[in-house]
Amino acid sequence: NAGVTQTPKFRVLKTGQSMTLLCAQDMNHEYMYWYRQDPGMGLRLIHYSVGEGTTAKGEVPDGYNVSRLKKQNFLLGLESAAPSQTSVYFCASSFAVAGNWETQYFGPGTRLLVL
Amino acid sequence: GDSVTQMEGPVTLSEEAFLTINCTYTATGYPSLFWYVQYPGEGLQLLLKATKADDKGSNKGFEATYRKETTSFHLEKGSVQVSDSAVYFCALSDMSNNAGNMLTFGGGTRLMVKP
Repeated sequence: NAGVTQTPKFRVLKTGQSMTLLCAQDMNHEYMYWYRQDPGMGLRLIHYSVGEGTTAKGEVPDGYNVSRLKKQNFLLGLESAAPSQTSVYFCASSFAVAGNWETQYFGPGTRLLVL
Repeated sequence: GDSVTQMEGPVTLSEEAFLTINCTYTATGYPSLFWYVQYPGEGLQLLLKATKADDKGSNKGFEATYRKETTSFHLEKGSVQVSDSAVYFCALSDMSNNAGNMLTFGGGTRLMVKP
């Protein structure tokens, strides 16, 4: 099992450019999440999905869009990148069973720099 | 809203020293509490959890007790090793506030263990 994988590992964008971050999991998890990690602020939830075809906003959704067309994939899009979106992005997944969804499995992260 | 506060790091210890990383929380309901660990270059992974007051979570020599009266969940280890060097995140889930499947993370505490 590869677990949770993220593509790309590192990317540099110019302000206004767009990009898509890809997350894939092979554990048949129902729930998937996108977080951003900034120094001293821990992880903040951007968007999440409780199943194929469904998405919901997290704590900091502005400037991002997501799609979950297949159960194993969760895409995070930046339509017009801004320097404030410079961060490390983590994808995570978990089972839907009550009491177990908090055990989230994280990918290795994508480091994004917006100039 | 819910929040988690951790002691700021970095925490630098010598091998075999005693470790305490403080964590306090505010929540509207009766949250479950977690410690996640992030090793260099990797995503987060669950270290331990406690789901109700006075529960003790433990794993790999680490322990934390859910103290409702002091709203705390401090992480402890009796004898740290160099391999424990990582960033530790305290987190909570609170299903009573209609936040859905959201984990609220603290800012993280970096631990450095010297030989």
